[in-house]
Amino acid sequence: QSVLTQPPSVSGAPGQRVTISCTGSSSNIGAGYDVHWYQQLPGTAPKLLIYGNINRPSGVPDRFSGSKSGTSASLAITGLQAEDEADYYCHSYDSSLSGSGIFGGGTKLTVL
Amino acid sequence: QVQLVQSGAEVKKPGASVKVSCKASGYTFTSYGISWVRQAPGQGLEWMGWISVYTGNTNYAQNLQGRITMTTDTSTTTAYMELRSLRSDDTAVYYCARELDGWFDPWGQGTLVTVSS
Repeated sequence: QSVLTQPPSVSGAPGQRVTISCTGSSSNIGAGYDVHWYQQLPGTAPKLLIYGNINRPSGVPDRFSGSKSGTSASLAITGLQAEDEADYYCHSYDSSLSGSGIFGGGTKLTVL
Repeated sequence: QVQLVQSGAEVKKPGASVKVSCKASGYTFTSYGISWVRQAPGQGLEWMGWISVYTGNTNYAQNLQGRITMTTDTSTTTAYMELRSLRSDDTAVYYCARELDGWFDPWGQGTLVTVSS
């Protein structure tokens, strides 16, 4: 059971928009800890997608965007492409765990 | 370019120890921390802990306390993660990652550790 809750799966057709939620609590996201997002393509290491809630590293398309409000965060992907099919993980920290890192359970994105 | 290259796959028996290395290049090694994350087969990511390369301070996941040790060698810009008293549920791909201001970038390629009798 992950401390951060993500939907196990989402799907969308090419060109559509999908969102992936990441729900925490008052000891992690709600306590002001930033949320970061990673994309993991099959058989590869995770790759940073969004850092500090809303920031994209250079090289990440602007089709990917992040937001945070209260005890939750979201990742939005617009203009879905086949190459976006991957697992997505949110990441933050938790004060009740002595500042330990925490991940969401991951969301499998299927491009129909 | 910034790169983390990890050691190769390991097969261990229950009760043994494993030490995974993570060689950093392309940046000032002492300016950032190194975190370790593992992923059991077909499962999600699990944060294992963090080490400050500059000070040597560590923060380990509570469920691994007492079995895990993270170290660094600044002379070879290499980080190490040792896990002891291995169990079958320690079978996983182990990743190192450079930690910036809370986020991880880049990640190593991963090291598969298989625990089996």
